[in-house]
Amino acid sequence: GAVVSQHPSWVICKSGTSVKIECRSLDFQATTMFWYRQFPKQSLMLMATSNEGSKATYEQGVEKDKFLINHASLTLSTLTVTSAHPEDSSFYICSAPTPWGLAGGSYNEQFFGPGTRLTVL
Amino acid sequence: AQTVTQSQPEMSVQEAETVTLSCTYDTSESDYYLFWYKQPPSRQMILVIRQEAYKQQNATENRFSVNFQKAAKSFSLKISDSQLGDAAMYFCAYRIKTNAGKSTFGDGTTLTVKP
Repeated sequence: GAVVSQHPSWVICKSGTSVKIECRSLDFQATTMFWYRQFPKQSLMLMATSNEGSKATYEQGVEKDKFLINHASLTLSTLTVTSAHPEDSSFYICSAPTPWGLAGGSYNEQFFGPGTRLTVL
Repeated sequence: AQTVTQSQPEMSVQEAETVTLSCTYDTSESDYYLFWYKQPPSRQMILVIRQEAYKQQNATENRFSVNFQKAAKSFSLKISDSQLGDAAMYFCAYRIKTNAGKSTFGDGTTLTVKP
């Protein structure tokens, strides 16, 4: 089945530095990818929609200058946390929907990456 | 805006028994998908079961089944013959059918399975 990977799986950085997280669709093309943030034992909160060839769409309350998203190709989206601070520490998950019809019928599956744990010291 | 509510932060079940997780949602759309995802300690999201709103028949996947009540906007998950490996956080999610992949998640229910 379709697979989505994330790299790195975990990262520790110093406050004030920037961190880049990659999300790749391994065997299908994804014109759209989604970035979620999850705090411990809490829900997934959608941060932004990454669009190949155009600007990302950010959810209300998400600082677009803080969380830079680039959809460089049909299989790669990156999330850069700029000038990271301890409050940015979290678990970040990406997802990618498959093209319509790939999973059969009128349904397109959404696959999740394994997540990236970010710790800012 | 669509909202998804899971009123049970934690649930517990004895191994081999049955448990039902509750989910309600709010939407003005008529065609959409509903999902249950499992998130084990590894934190990888795993699709458990999905339901298409226009289908009246409740979805079933082996030991997992749903009770979909469209008029009541209710979507509960029943796990039969619970196994230790079922222990995880379970999320109910909603997605508009025309919106490629953008989902709204409930707050989750942590399921503990007792041996």
